[in-house]
Amino acid sequence: AQSVTQLGSHVSVSEGALVLLRCNYSSSVPPYLFWYVQYPNQGLQLLLKYTSAATLVKGINGFEAEFKKSETSFHLTKPSAHMSDAAEYFCAVSDDSGYSTLTFGKGTMLLVSP
Amino acid sequence: NAGVTQTPKFQVLKTGQSMTLQCAQDMNHNSMYWYRQDPGMGLRLIYYSASEGTTDKGEVPNGYNVSRLNKREFSLRLESAAPSQTSVYFCASRGQGAYNEQFFGPGTRLTVL
Repeated sequence: AQSVTQLGSHVSVSEGALVLLRCNYSSSVPPYLFWYVQYPNQGLQLLLKYTSAATLVKGINGFEAEFKKSETSFHLTKPSAHMSDAAEYFCAVSDDSGYSTLTFGKGTMLLVSP
Repeated sequence: NAGVTQTPKFQVLKTGQSMTLQCAQDMNHNSMYWYRQDPGMGLRLIYYSASEGTTDKGEVPNGYNVSRLNKREFSLRLESAAPSQTSVYFCASRGQGAYNEQFFGPGTRLTVL
């Protein structure tokens, strides 16, 4: 069984500040991990994914995430927040257990103030 | 290349009415999914189809039926709509392999009165 926990349903930062969105996963086998972003009234789009090639993964819009097996974490960061980063962010996990599904976290809303 | 398309974008139903949400993908993906999204609940999987000809229940299948019409199309049917089914519905598709991401449609906003 696999699961994802996103700490904090809302995170507030000032423009230019560091963004840190937390994701912890549980998986019985080596996982594949994904971060998605959802802008208001839109579908989800992929920010980045971890597929075991490298532990530090760079994505679109300046975001990156680091896979830490010992901490079962895949936190999302961006050095300097922009107003346009305000959106909801979802972490998801899948594995090679044979199931075709992704398990999503409940999401974290990022609020960016001027 | 349109990706994943969904129709309609918006729908208002009365309790007890039926309707079908349509989804199509042009990426030759094997797997397709239906989710609902409600405030504070994240995305919840309703049904999925791992390949053409197969469908499986997800986390919240009650009150819904699905049809994998062909490799491209995957529809979701509400036989007798209830106010609890007011939600935003997303369709997604995914290529073969657990390392592949899901691609999402723009969503259908459904209100049941």
